[in-house]
Amino acid sequence: QKEVEQNSGPLSVPEGAIASLNCTYSDRGSQSFFWYRQYSGKSPELIMFIYSNGDKEDGRFTAQLNKASQYVSLLIRDSQPSDSATYLCAVVYNAGNMLTFGGGTRLMVKP
Amino acid sequence: EPEVTQTPSHQVTQMGQEVILRCVPISNHLYFYWYRQILGQKVEFLVSFYNNEISEKSEIFDDQFSVERPDGSNFTLKIRSTKLEDSAMYFCASSERGGRTDTQYFGPGTRLTVL
Repeated sequence: QKEVEQNSGPLSVPEGAIASLNCTYSDRGSQSFFWYRQYSGKSPELIMFIYSNGDKEDGRFTAQLNKASQYVSLLIRDSQPSDSATYLCAVVYNAGNMLTFGGGTRLMVKP
Repeated sequence: EPEVTQTPSHQVTQMGQEVILRCVPISNHLYFYWYRQILGQKVEFLVSFYNNEISEKSEIFDDQFSVERPDGSNFTLKIRSTKLEDSAMYFCASSERGGRTDTQYFGPGTRLTVL
């Protein structure tokens, strides 16, 4: 069973702080990693993806991947109240193109 | 900006009835997907579709489910005889070329309520 695990939260950070969201996955055959944001009652919205070990930055967002530890994280700098949402980690394994999602971490950014 | 659209936004049906959920993927995308999310639970993969064939399906996608691309724009999910446990948000997604590095874009979803 291929699992993707996230702390459900809520993770509460003050406005302007860095929010750190973590995800672990069970299968070393995992190849691609995606972070989606989901507002309540809405569909997942892509934030960014990462395929290679290391860091990848896109604006206020940085994704970090460590395949040896089977760990991927998302950092949000200068957090805003509008960042308050559930953040979903999704993994594509070696075969196929289906996304396997974690349960999501709820982030609350307090003004 | 192109987007995936889905209709209806909310569907209420009686147990045992057939429902068809409709999606219009992004126009130049070749791979289409259905996912579902039961309230408070994870987003779960149902099926992927390419070149008029199912390319991958999960254990959830049993004989009660079917998919079809009836014309050049629509992609449908049919549930033949709905059960109470089919109540969920159903998301359609599409991607340009498939594969593990391709990005899937999600539609707004159809909330299915089975009574």
